[in-house]
Amino acid sequence: DVKVTQSSRYLVKRTGEKVFLECVQDMDHENMFWYRQDPGLGLRLIYFSYDVKMKEKGDIPEGYSVSREKKERFSLILESASTNQTSMYLCASSLPGRYEQYFGPGTRLTVT
Amino acid sequence: GEDVEQSLFLSVREGDSSVINCTYTDSSSTYLYWYKQEPGAGLQLLTYIFSNMDMKQDQRLTVLLNKKDKHLSLRIADTQTGDSAIYFCAEGLGSKLIFGQGTTLQVKP
Repeated sequence: DVKVTQSSRYLVKRTGEKVFLECVQDMDHENMFWYRQDPGLGLRLIYFSYDVKMKEKGDIPEGYSVSREKKERFSLILESASTNQTSMYLCASSLPGRYEQYFGPGTRLTVT
Repeated sequence: GEDVEQSLFLSVREGDSSVINCTYTDSSSTYLYWYKQEPGAGLQLLTYIFSNMDMKQDQRLTVLLNKKDKHLSLRIADTQTGDSAIYFCAEGLGSKLIFGQGTTLQVKP
């Protein structure tokens, strides 16, 4: 079974803090994704990566950056957290050429 | 542009069938997916259908695809309280998935 883990289930940060969200997958998947989930808006893609050190902007990259130094790990960085970044953040991975994505349990981030 | 639409809420009684509907805009999608999200959890892949199929059945789940109308539905037979969750449809485009807003299914005993 594919396992995708995220570093925290719940996180509370203050406005202006730098926030790191970590995601690790154990199935040697090349593709990794970061989404945010908000009620009524579904999942919106923030960034994705096809390979180590590769990254592509998704639909809502503003205010976020990512890092992929190792194949199994994809980090989402909020350089200066703001209250409108309070959300559920979901990480996913997939094999190249395959659409099926496997999701982690999510990190619920609250920025106060 | 790409867009996937779902109604936000569906309520059914235990034992009834549930039908969750989805419309999409991009006719070049090759695969369409249904994911389930239980409370406090990530998304779990339920089933998928290839775009040249009309129907796919998997135990209590039936997926219907009307490619002409760009309409996808998920039918859950004999709905149980454990089916209460948010259901997302998604279309595969390029190397990404485009998700709908999610339909919250409430199953009443």
